[in-house]
Amino acid sequence: AQSVTQLDSHVSVSEGTPVLLRCNYSSSYSPSLFWYVQHPNKGLQLLLKYTSAATLVKGINGFEAEFKKSETSFHLTKPSAHMSDAAEYFCVVIPLGSARQLTFGSGTQLTVLP
Amino acid sequence: NAGVTQTPKFQVLKTGQSMTLQCAQDMNHEYMSWYRQDPGMGLRLIHYSVGAGITDQGEVPNGYNVSRSTTEDFPLRLLSAAPSQTSVYFCASRRTGQETQYFGPGTRLLVL
Repeated sequence: AQSVTQLDSHVSVSEGTPVLLRCNYSSSYSPSLFWYVQHPNKGLQLLLKYTSAATLVKGINGFEAEFKKSETSFHLTKPSAHMSDAAEYFCVVIPLGSARQLTFGSGTQLTVLP
Repeated sequence: NAGVTQTPKFQVLKTGQSMTLQCAQDMNHEYMSWYRQDPGMGLRLIHYSVGAGITDQGEVPNGYNVSRSTTEDFPLRLLSAAPSQTSVYFCASRRTGQETQYFGPGTRLLVL
């Protein structure tokens, strides 16, 4: 079965420094990949998605992710963290043949320090 | 558009009680689904529906029932609540043929 692994359960950065949230997927094919963000006591919001077009995907709020097939990775980055980026981030895959059902990673909690 | 709405926002139940979590969307999406979110486990699919009158089980369906009598509504029923069902429940919808899902704000359920 195809799956997604978020390598860090917690990441802490200082405001103004770069953010890196790591995600690896297991798949024999190029799946569709997403990053969702969940702010405290809120629902999930789509940050960005990869669907086999450009390998570097730009999302909202200055986030971007690069699809690397050779490394089976889809890491999320942002050049400069803002306090409002503090949230939980989920890497999500739609496995091939799953009728477009989402498979979620376990989440990464991002803390931004002043 | 209100998008995906869920009621209630928060509910406390005693073991053995029943309740229905409501979900509605006004985007005319064919596909709707229910997830539960537990710490360290991401979101797991409970049930889903590809259209009115059609439902199917997801990864963790036990203890939950669903029905889809209209395109807009997709209620989730707990017939006999158990403490293991304490969780945050999210409803989501999308248009057939598209992959982006839209999530509701969630319902926090505590079963004592």
